Amino acid sequence: NAGVTQTPKFRVLKTGQSMTLLCAQDMNHEYMYWYRQDPGMGLRLIHYSVGEGTTAKGEVPDGYNVSRLKKQNFLLGLESAAPSQTSVYFCASTLSGANVLTFGAGSRLTVL
Amino acid sequence: GENVEQHPSTLSVQEGDSAVIKCTYSDSASNYFPWYKQELGKRPQLIIDIRSNVGEKKDQRIAVTLNKTAKHFSLHITETQPEDSAVYFCAAGNTGTASKLTFGTGTRLQVTL
Repeated sequence: NAGVTQTPKFRVLKTGQSMTLLCAQDMNHEYMYWYRQDPGMGLRLIHYSVGEGTTAKGEVPDGYNVSRLKKQNFLLGLESAAPSQTSVYFCASTLSGANVLTFGAGSRLTVL
Repeated sequence: GENVEQHPSTLSVQEGDSAVIKCTYSDSASNYFPWYKQELGKRPQLIIDIRSNVGEKKDQRIAVTLNKTAKHFSLHITETQPEDSAVYFCAAGNTGTASKLTFGTGTRLQVTL
């Protein structure tokens, strides 16, 4: 039982490049989330999904897109990376909305 | 929507002392209040949670108290140890209606020898 797996763990991008972060969970959770964590700013919600085929905006959605084509996967895309998107990204999942979250190990993204 | 404020942002205690972290929330409909611990370079992990039908919950050296009238809840760590050094996040939400938790901005706890 792997829990929540994020790939890649580290990535360096140049400004303007695109990339996709993959989150996969094997717990049959309905809800999945993408957070970014920056020093002194806690966990800020980017986008989330309450079920397969659904997505919704969080606090800081600009510059990101997401897709949930399969229940177990939640993808976070950066179409044109900017230095302000340098951060650690965490994926999380839960059975229902306000409940115990299981986090992935994080993906550190640097945009030069 | 829900708004969660957390204080202090940093806290330094000596080993063996107690540490208290406080959070306030704005939505009276919130009924679920978890606390997450994040060690350096690691993922956040749940350490304790409380639901609004109880006022206090304890797990060994960790306790959480909830005051629904005042809309605040606190994390208490007794007999602190160096391994308690981490960032702690509080959160709030409604298990029946909310699709997400709202997090506080975190408290960096440093336990010194």
